Amino acid sequence: DGGITQSPKYLFRKEGQNVTLSCEQNLNHDAMYWYRQDPGQGLRLIYYSQIVNDFQKGDIAEGYSVSREKKESFPLTVTSAQKNPTAFYLCASSYWDNQPQHFGDGTRLSIL
Amino acid sequence: GESVGLHLPTLSVQEGDNSIINCAYSNSASDYFIWYKQESGKGPQFIIDIRSNMDKRQGQRVTVLLNKTVKHLSLQIAATQPGDSAVYFCAENTGNYGQNFVFGPGTRLSVLP
Repeated sequence: DGGITQSPKYLFRKEGQNVTLSCEQNLNHDAMYWYRQDPGQGLRLIYYSQIVNDFQKGDIAEGYSVSREKKESFPLTVTSAQKNPTAFYLCASSYWDNQPQHFGDGTRLSIL
Repeated sequence: GESVGLHLPTLSVQEGDNSIINCAYSNSASDYFIWYKQESGKGPQFIIDIRSNMDKRQGQRVTVLLNKTVKHLSLQIAATQPGDSAVYFCAENTGNYGQNFVFGPGTRLSVLP
């Protein structure tokens, strides 16, 4: 079955530690996205990539980094510079940037 | 700036009744809208979409209505079932190159037995 796989489902970060969230898709989509979801708020865009080896900052990129070395993969690193990382992180993909996005089932990041 | 919002943060309906979830948008240039359903601990799922050249679009048990005059979008669910319990949110896009979707905060739908 085609889809988007995020891992791990739950992740814990210690102070000063960087952590990386995985996102893999086999839908042959060109565009991929990372969103942060906080209670009572709409999804906020962290980073997006429209093509391999290219990505752009979203609305809340500070404290995060990404790479897009393969079409199928778009990992997100939450760095120690992100002072409030506790949230639900969602990865999505689409054929192009104004097409419906398919979402993974998220990674919940908490602070130890 | 542009925003997408919802009038009601929570909605409780009796099983078998119809549900109506509303969304207001502020960007008059938006011409493409999507409704998503998100169950607890899961990612959002596409329900239905509509473009601005339409006022109404129907799917299986769902209907989306678009009123461009007042910048209002609604999702109607017929004969609501327990499996419909979830958070529903709308998203808008202007359709321009490089334009990303703006998502509303969502409405939680609870279906009562």
